[in-house]
Amino acid sequence: QKEVEQNSGPLSVPEGAIASLNCTYSDRGSQSFFWYRQYSGKSPELIMFIYSNGDKEDGRFTAQLNKASQYVSLLIRDSQPSDSATYLCAVNPNQAGTALIFGKGTTLSVSS
Amino acid sequence: EPEVTQTPSHQVTQMGQEVILRCVPISNHLYFYWYRQILGQKVEFLVSFYNNEISEKSEIFDDQFSVERPDGSNFTLKIRSTKLEDSAMYFCASGPRGTNEKLFFGSGTQLSVL
Repeated sequence: QKEVEQNSGPLSVPEGAIASLNCTYSDRGSQSFFWYRQYSGKSPELIMFIYSNGDKEDGRFTAQLNKASQYVSLLIRDSQPSDSATYLCAVNPNQAGTALIFGKGTTLSVSS
Repeated sequence: EPEVTQTPSHQVTQMGQEVILRCVPISNHLYFYWYRQILGQKVEFLVSFYNNEISEKSEIFDDQFSVERPDGSNFTLKIRSTKLEDSAMYFCASGPRGTNEKLFFGSGTQLSVL
């Protein structure tokens, strides 16, 4: 059974702080990794994707991947109240597969 | 920006009835998906569709479910005889090149089975 695990939270940070969200996955052959943001009652919205070990930065967001440890993280710098949402980690288990496997998500709350 | 469109936004039905959920994917995308999310739970894969056929389906996608792309633009999910546990938000998604790249999700259809 291919699993994607996330702490459900809530993760609470003050405005302006760095929020760190973590995800582990079970399938060592997984190839691509995604972070989606989901506001309550809304659809998932892609924030970042990463394929290679290391860091990938996009504005205030940095995705980090460590395939040896089967670990993906998302850092949000200068957190804003509008970042308050549930963050979903999703994994493509292998190149031949087409189905993304989602984690349950971590709820982030940014207080002003 | 192009978007995936889903209708209806809400659907209420009686147990045992058939429902059809409709989606219009982004026009130049080749891969289409249905996912569902039961309240408070994770987003779950149902089925993927490519080149006019199902490419992958999950254990959830049993004989009660079917998908169709009837006219080259619409993509539908049919549930033949709904059960209480089918109550969920159903998301359609499309992508230009499969899940190795960005998926665009529709706004969802909230299905309530009474």
